[in-house]
Amino acid sequence: GAVVSQHPSWVICKSGTSVKIECRSLDFQATTMFWYRQFPKQSLMLMATSNEGSKATYEQGVEKDKFLINHASLTLSTLTVTSAHPEDSSFYICSASYTANTEAFFGQGTRLTVV
Amino acid sequence: KQEVTQIPAALSVPEGENLVLNCSFTDSAIYNLQWFRQDPGKGLTSLLLIQSSQREQTSGRLNASLDKSSGRSTLYIAASQPGDSATYLCAVENNAGNMLTFGGGTRLMVKP
Repeated sequence: GAVVSQHPSWVICKSGTSVKIECRSLDFQATTMFWYRQFPKQSLMLMATSNEGSKATYEQGVEKDKFLINHASLTLSTLTVTSAHPEDSSFYICSASYTANTEAFFGQGTRLTVV
Repeated sequence: KQEVTQIPAALSVPEGENLVLNCSFTDSAIYNLQWFRQDPGKGLTSLLLIQSSQREQTSGRLNASLDKSSGRSTLYIAASQPGDSATYLCAVENNAGNMLTFGGGTRLMVKP
């Protein structure tokens, strides 16, 4: 299957700072990338849908000014957690697909801890 | 809005048992359904993908079935091993796009 690389795999940052997470499709071009968040002992919840060259679509309850998503190329999407707070500590994971209604491939995930 | 439910939430079995994990979804207009494995603190490993036109998929000791009309899928694990201990997630992809809706997961513990 196709490979999606997510970086970093874990990060610890101070409260008030910003953190950028990268999601790259290594061997295919991804029209659409998705960002999910998983709090401890909970399932994954979709945060936003990122389409190359256009603004991301955020799910209800997700602050677009806090979670900045950029999808400037067909192989890279970034999620920036701005002014991070301890409650943003979570597991963030991206997925990428060739086109709509095709299999999604997942990155390895990023464990964010805000102290 | 699609909702995905997994039962049981947690399961503990002795090694060697065959077991069934259940997944149900409310909107039958799905494109496909996937079963994932997640180890603690790790990302997702895709186990099986069933297209909406398919009834089941098999990979080694794993067999997943799909009954789209009733909104159900089962993951059957044969001859369970301690290494199978993990959280198993099912997720459905709706026709409207390729975002996935995840179930809450089943935490499986296989005791030696």
